[in-house]
Amino acid sequence: SQTIHQWPATLVQPVGSPLSLECTVEGTSNPNLYWYRQAAGRGLQLLFYSIGIDQISSEVPQNLSASRPQDRQFILSSKKLLLSDSGFYLCAWSPRADTQYFGPGTRLTVL
Amino acid sequence: AQSVTQPDIHITVSEGASLELRCNYSYGATPYLFWYVQSPGQGLQLLLKYFSGDTLVQGIKGFEAEFKRSQSSFNLRKPSVHWSDAAEYFCAVGPLNNAGNMLTFGGGTRLMVKP
Repeated sequence: SQTIHQWPATLVQPVGSPLSLECTVEGTSNPNLYWYRQAAGRGLQLLFYSIGIDQISSEVPQNLSASRPQDRQFILSSKKLLLSDSGFYLCAWSPRADTQYFGPGTRLTVL
Repeated sequence: AQSVTQPDIHITVSEGASLELRCNYSYGATPYLFWYVQSPGQGLQLLLKYFSGDTLVQGIKGFEAEFKRSQSSFNLRKPSVHWSDAAEYFCAVGPLNNAGNMLTFGGGTRLMVKP
């Protein structure tokens, strides 16, 4: 069966510091991968999606970037965090043309 | 463009009472519809999905949803709510016919259960 992991579970970072969040999927190959953000009290905002290695689309312009160095690894990064980057970050995967399955999330607090 | 509306931001029901969460969508073709549940501090868990066929879909944890094309709705129901159902519920719609397979989510409905 497939599983999705996110690391770390929680993170507290100062403004201006870099960020790296990792998402890995097991038990499948060539999945679609997604990064979402939930700000406090708000719904899901799609940040990036990827249909293959080095094939990444950005949905919202911001100071975040994403990379997919391996088939089942998706990384969300920032060079300098802003206060507004605080939130709950969710990674998801899906087979082609099918349901999205979500990871446990990473709680990011920028102080 | 597709959109999903969940009209109720918060709903409170008594334990044992029935539940209906509303979801209305706007989509130009045959939609693929989903309901997810999110407990505090957790990821989203798939409750059920509708792709085609029977418009009444059964899901996990005793939930069901009915697709009504004429009303552009996909409401979630449960006949008897348990305290553990307290969570946030998200409805989503997607085309599933392109490589990106992107979903559009509603804003969510937070369910509180009174003892």
